[in-house]
Amino acid sequence: DAKTTQPPSMDCAEGRAANLPCNHSTISGNEYVYWYRQIHSQGPQYIIHGLKNNETNEMASLIITEDRKSSTLILPHATLRDTAVYYCIASLYNQGGKLIFGQGTELSVKP
Amino acid sequence: DTEVTQTPKHLVMGMTNKKSLKCEQHMGHRAMYWYKQKAKKPPELMFVYSYEKLSINESVPSRFSPECPNSSLLNLHLHALQPEDSALYLCASSNQGSATNEKLFFGSGTQLSVL
Repeated sequence: DAKTTQPPSMDCAEGRAANLPCNHSTISGNEYVYWYRQIHSQGPQYIIHGLKNNETNEMASLIITEDRKSSTLILPHATLRDTAVYYCIASLYNQGGKLIFGQGTELSVKP
Repeated sequence: DTEVTQTPKHLVMGMTNKKSLKCEQHMGHRAMYWYKQKAKKPPELMFVYSYEKLSINESVPSRFSPECPNSSLLNLHLHALQPEDSALYLCASSNQGSATNEKLFFGSGTQLSVL
């Protein structure tokens, strides 16, 4: 599994877009990029994943660079409930479902 | 029903005790996972079961013994634990565990304290 690097913490104003970066420079061609978040005292929650193309769902957008060495998770209108630790994971998911978490980014959304 | 249910939510045990953590899902998922999470750290993978067979053991000490009685249930048997084993134990499930494009559904965890 490729190693991922994220900033340890970020702040975002409520109502603004939160852009969370992730570096995965050693990612291989068949590794997906996954994002999960963990709100305090809860289990991690799946947000989104992608391979090459940008992806969007009801929670967020995922932008992956053309060389796939980095990606950005975008929460378009952050709310206080989005305060959580966000984990970026590059996972060779077709080998037994091994999902290895990195250190994550602690996002604080402030009023 | 998209829930993974873990019991108990909190557990305090002595180093000589035997206890079990339980996890249940009714989403028809065939893969189930145990993760361990220390405070302020990311979850660490312990075990993966796929189609009720143990497919991954991340070199976990034998004082942790997983069991998958059927596709809906996952247990973690604990015996002779050490204080450093105190952590949040998370259970997760996914559709198959060996395919791409899968997402994991996590329970809220069991907070374990070993005295």
